[in-house]
Amino acid sequence: AQSVTQPDIHITVSEGASLELRCNYSYGATPYLFWYVQSPGQGLQLLLKYLSGDTLVQGIKGFEAEFKRSQSSFNLRKPSVHWSDAAEYFCAVGRRGGNTPLVFGKGTRLSVIA
Amino acid sequence: DAGVIQSPRHEVTEMGQEVTLRCKPISGHNSLFWYRQTMMRGLELLIYFNNNVPIDDSGMPEDRFSAKMPNASFSTLKIQPSEPRDSAVYFCASSTTGGDNEQFFGPGTRLTVL
Repeated sequence: AQSVTQPDIHITVSEGASLELRCNYSYGATPYLFWYVQSPGQGLQLLLKYLSGDTLVQGIKGFEAEFKRSQSSFNLRKPSVHWSDAAEYFCAVGRRGGNTPLVFGKGTRLSVIA
Repeated sequence: DAGVIQSPRHEVTEMGQEVTLRCKPISGHNSLFWYRQTMMRGLELLIYFNNNVPIDDSGMPEDRFSAKMPNASFSTLKIQPSEPRDSAVYFCASSTTGGDNEQFFGPGTRLTVL
């Protein structure tokens, strides 16, 4: 069965510190991989995606993620966190080549302190 | 450029009442997804359509839930009768064939059933 695990429910970091959010997936083949962000009361916004090729992908707002096939992981990183990054972050997987539903992790809530 | 539009944004109703949630996908998108978000279960798929045709409704909790997509620009999710356990945020998302399975989310409808 397809599944996504985000082991950290809640993370607190200081403004200016680096950030890494973990994501592991279980899928029959290499899927498309996504990170979405959700601010309170808002919908989900795409941060970045991995389709193929370079395993380090760049996204919006200074985020990047690295796909590691051997570890079935797609961790999200940011070198310096801003207070406006406080939100909920979701990792998701989708089937390659088709418009099919995404499978989401449970999310990681990020708090940023001064 | 309008994104996915959902209405209402908030709905408070009493147990037993009928609830109808509405979604307008992005123009030109031919796949539409209904997801439900709860604290306990996270984001889970309810049903999705390709070219207005329901493809997978296995996530619909029970017969009280129904969804329609009468045309490419409109979809409804109906709950009749509603129950307190239906309280959740319901998201609609759309995507386009030939894309990379990237889904664009609406702002969601927060449903509270008293």
